[in-house]
Amino acid sequence: GAGVSQTPSNKVTEKGKYVELRCDPISGHTALYWYRQSLGQGPEFLIYFQGTGAADDSGLPNDRFFAVRPEGSVSTLKIQRTERGDSAVYLCASSPLPSGYSYEQYFGPGTRLTVT
Amino acid sequence: GDSVTQMEGPVTLSEEAFLTINCTYTATGYPSLFWYVQYPGEGLQLLLKATKADDKGSNKGFEATYRKETTSFHLEKGSVQVSDSAVYFCALSDPVRDSSYKLIFGSGTRLLVRP
Repeated sequence: GAGVSQTPSNKVTEKGKYVELRCDPISGHTALYWYRQSLGQGPEFLIYFQGTGAADDSGLPNDRFFAVRPEGSVSTLKIQRTERGDSAVYLCASSPLPSGYSYEQYFGPGTRLTVT
Repeated sequence: GDSVTQMEGPVTLSEEAFLTINCTYTATGYPSLFWYVQYPGEGLQLLLKATKADDKGSNKGFEATYRKETTSFHLEKGSVQVSDSAVYFCALSDPVRDSSYKLIFGSGTRLLVRP
């Protein structure tokens, strides 16, 4: 079946501009995660959705970052007034309802954001 | 807070060599441990996992044992192939302390296998 998809695959924007990154999770997966991966580093958690609500947004670096998932499926990560330090690969992952200790997050290919 | 430390790469091996990639963790709870792999041009994929102490995760010839006494989860493979060339990430999740099940990753170790 279809995996997690992310669009665009690459985004180049100028400093100060607004960007939106989209994630289409695996159908039926209620949990959705956003991570950010800087060059040479492991992914870092940004935000977690359970259904439509952001259950944990503790990883968002500041109030320029915001994410929504209005219908409990597709999610959009929004970055206002982009800065060069925002340049990274933004990863989305989805998972069935987490329960117990045995689950897996399925990752999308990522969106590479470059702020010039 | 919880963290994961991996050996720095790149690790360069000849085909059929033995592989070890070290991973240690810090956690106040009882985390589940994972190895993810990122092949060139592809997304992160779960390679193997272990959910409690002394569990051994295995997949595609790779193995890792959850060692609570040494807080380690080292990745091993007896005979690597060129196709194993990728970046390997150790990660943890602590669902008892964190109901989001978010993953905390190490910085990754690049493996290059030469023919």
